Amino acid sequence: EAQVTQNPRYLITVTGKKLTVTCSQNMNHEYMSWYRQDPGLGLRQIYYSMNVEVTDKGDVPEGYKVSRKEKRNFPLILESPSPNQTSLYFCASSKRGVGGTEAFFGQGTRLTVV
Amino acid sequence: GNSVTQMEGPVTLSEEAFLTINCTYTATGYPSLFWYVQYPGEGLQLLLKATKADDKGSNKGFEATYRKETTSFHLEKGSVQVSDSAVYFCALSVYSGNTPLVFGKGTRLSVIA
Repeated sequence: EAQVTQNPRYLITVTGKKLTVTCSQNMNHEYMSWYRQDPGLGLRQIYYSMNVEVTDKGDVPEGYKVSRKEKRNFPLILESPSPNQTSLYFCASSKRGVGGTEAFFGQGTRLTVV
Repeated sequence: GNSVTQMEGPVTLSEEAFLTINCTYTATGYPSLFWYVQYPGEGLQLLLKATKADDKGSNKGFEATYRKETTSFHLEKGSVQVSDSAVYFCALSVYSGNTPLVFGKGTRLSVIA
């Protein structure tokens, strides 16, 4: 089954404690992205990757890191989380192609930083 | 740059009412346009798409037509059901661009019986 898998689904952590949210896709997609969803602000892109070893900043990259060492995985790293990073996070993947291709989303990770 | 503007919510409708959610876009190049839906507690999933001007995307009774002259992609459904309650996102992608998808802020729809 084609899917994007994020882990964990829920996470409560304390300020400053490093954490990683994993994302894996099984569709051999080139594009992968991370978004955060906040009330009234919609979906905002954090980082994206066009392919292995190629990453770039989205609209709100501050406080986050990513890596793309393998095509299927795109972890999101918060080196020193702060309460303003409390949010719902989504990973997405899509195939690069003419005409626009569907993005597949993970189920989301609800992060609370206290 | 590329951007999507969609109507603010929330939208509350009675069952069987007609639905329109407005979406306009700004894009460099030739975008493909999408509507995604997010049901409670779930991730986003593709509802419909259109890849060129005058194309009509349709799915589950929803429709949207790619209007290049008005840079719009409004979502419509003739008769909504309680099960359509969700958040709807308009989005675009530009093949020649360097980012996958650009989203609107989302419109929450609540349908009451």
